[in-house]
Formats: sequence, structure tokens, C-alpha cells
Amino acid sequence: GNSVTQMEGPVTLSEEAFLTINCTYTATGYPSLFWYVQYPGEGLQLLLKATKADDKGSNKGFEATYRKETTSFHLEKGSVQVSDSAVYFCALRSGNAGNMLTFGGGTRLMVKP
Amino acid sequence: GAVVSQHPSRVICKSGTSVKIECRSLDFQATTMFWYRQFPKQSLMLMATSNEGSKATYEQGVEKDKFLINHASLTLSTLTVTSAHPEDSSFYICSARTGQGKETQYFGPGTRLLVL
Repeated sequence: GNSVTQMEGPVTLSEEAFLTINCTYTATGYPSLFWYVQYPGEGLQLLLKATKADDKGSNKGFEATYRKETTSFHLEKGSVQVSDSAVYFCALRSGNAGNMLTFGGGTRLMVKP
Repeated sequence: GAVVSQHPSRVICKSGTSVKIECRSLDFQATTMFWYRQFPKQSLMLMATSNEGSKATYEQGVEKDKFLINHASLTLSTLTVTSAHPEDSSFYICSARTGQGKETQYFGPGTRLLVL
């Protein structure tokens, strides 16, 4: 079946540091890939997505590239801010699984001033 | 983007009582709605999927008589936790999409349930 693996957190960075959160996946067919963000006490918000190989999703300074050859969708940001502190979830959606979202375990990011 | 609301945002109840959580799509028709449960510091666990006008499909291990789901209209789904117990305390998140295909899935803000 489909699965998503993310690096375990928490990831603690200083403001303006470079961020990478690794995400790899296992899926049949050609899944779409997503990053969701969850701020404290809130639900999930779609951060970015990519629907085919080599696509780059980007939003709010975050970006991730769909790498089919390495089955990865790593999240990056060049300069994090305190307001980026949240939990980040990598997810995939595949037509082979009824178009249901499969989530990774989540990675907590803490940015210190 | 599309908005999904949940009510209440937080509820505290006594053991043995039932709690109803509402999920509404505010500016689109949600053909399909999902209910997730999230334990502290863990990922989301899909509980069930519901299509408007039909019975919900529950994931393995989720008790359908314990977690009653009603998707009565294209903008409203409800989750009722019946005879709640402390182990049901959790963060419940609903999600909605317009179809059954590749449309974007939007999430509600979540409802924190505490059963005493």
C-alpha cells in the first residue's frame, strides 16, 4: 500500500536558518504530493502541492520538488521565521487508493528568535 | 480558498454522555467529507469517509456504532461520539472536497474533545 515517511522532529532552528524537512514515499502509479501545515490548536492548511514528476510546488517561501527517481518531496525554505513554527505533514494522494490522502507522521518545527 | 468550519472548537463532557461535532463547507458543496482523529504529537488517522446521502465508510478498527456520522446535505456532516469515555479524548478534524476525484481537500480547524 501507499506510505509516507518523514524525518522525525522536533526540528529546532534559529531565525533565518535554512530549513529542510525530508519526505519520501511509496506508492503505486503516479501520486500527487502535498505538504500541509498545522499551527498550534488549528486544523491543517494546504501549503503546497505537486501533481507530476519534476513539478515544483511553492508557497510563502517554501518549496518542494517532486522527485520520482528518488521518490522524495523534501520541503525547503531559505530563511525561516518564528511564525513558521508549526507541524508539517507530507502527504500523497493516489488514484489507486481511491484518491484518499495518506499522511506522514508529521514534523514539528520550532524556530527560535 | 474554500472554507471548512467546525463547531464546537472545544468541548468538555462527562463520561457516558454523547457529543455532536458539526462540520460545514461554507462556500462550496462537499460531495465527500472525511473525519480524522489526531492524538497528541501524532499524525492524522482517517476514521471514515462519507458521501452526501449515503452511509459512511469506516476505516478498519473504527466502531461505527461509537462514532456516528451523518452527511445529510452537501454542506453539513456531523460526527457524534456516543457514550464518550476518557479514551475518546482527542482532536477531531473534518475535511471536505467537492468530488470523488482529484479536487483539493480542505480541512476544518478541528475540535478538541476532553472527556472527564
